[in-house]
Amino acid sequence: AQTVTQSQPEMSVQEAETVTLSCTYDTSESDYYLFWYKQPPSRQMILVIRQEAYKQQNATENRFSVNFQKAAKSFSLKISDSQLGDAAMYFCAYRSHNYGGSQGNLIFGKGTKLSVKP
Amino acid sequence: DGGITQSPKYLFRKEGQNVTLSCEQNLNHDAMYWYRQDPGQGLRLIYYSQIVNDFQKGDIAEGYSVSREKKESFPLTVTSAQKNPTAFYLCASSILPLGLYSNQPQHFGDGTRLSIL
Repeated sequence: AQTVTQSQPEMSVQEAETVTLSCTYDTSESDYYLFWYKQPPSRQMILVIRQEAYKQQNATENRFSVNFQKAAKSFSLKISDSQLGDAAMYFCAYRSHNYGGSQGNLIFGKGTKLSVKP
Repeated sequence: DGGITQSPKYLFRKEGQNVTLSCEQNLNHDAMYWYRQDPGQGLRLIYYSQIVNDFQKGDIAEGYSVSREKKESFPLTVTSAQKNPTAFYLCASSILPLGLYSNQPQHFGDGTRLSIL
């Protein structure tokens, strides 16, 4: 079974600085998808960025980018120019590419709480 | 606007009582999911459904039940058999991630917080 590990329960960053959140996963599959979700205090889950395992190029969405290292099974999230609104829980999630009955199911890490200091 | 609506926002359960959490989506998604979120635990899958009138157990289905009579609706019942129901419950939906839609994410509702009286 696949597992997702976020080893940093809490992180802190100064406003306008850059922070990197770590995520590692364990799988025997070669094709899969990875996601980062943000959960602000309002508790709504918001998709931040996604990465297809077959793509070597790292995904980027404005100030958010990932460092995808397939061999190392690592999927870290970099937030540049941090803003106060970035303060939230961040969850890393894995989804298999298989076409079995559970396709579409996400496996989540336990999350990293990010604080942004003004 | 299309989205997922969960209700109520807050719910209280008495001893021995069953309670039902509502989840409705107007995104025309085939798949729907229920997650439980506890502090420090991330999200854990309770039940999921990929088609009307069919659903599957997730990792922590004991003490819960669901139905999928309509594509838009996927209510979750927390039964009296669930001895520790206090948690935040999130409903999600997605296009079935097949073919061209393989990279499609899940979309989430705003959640329901369930507490014991």
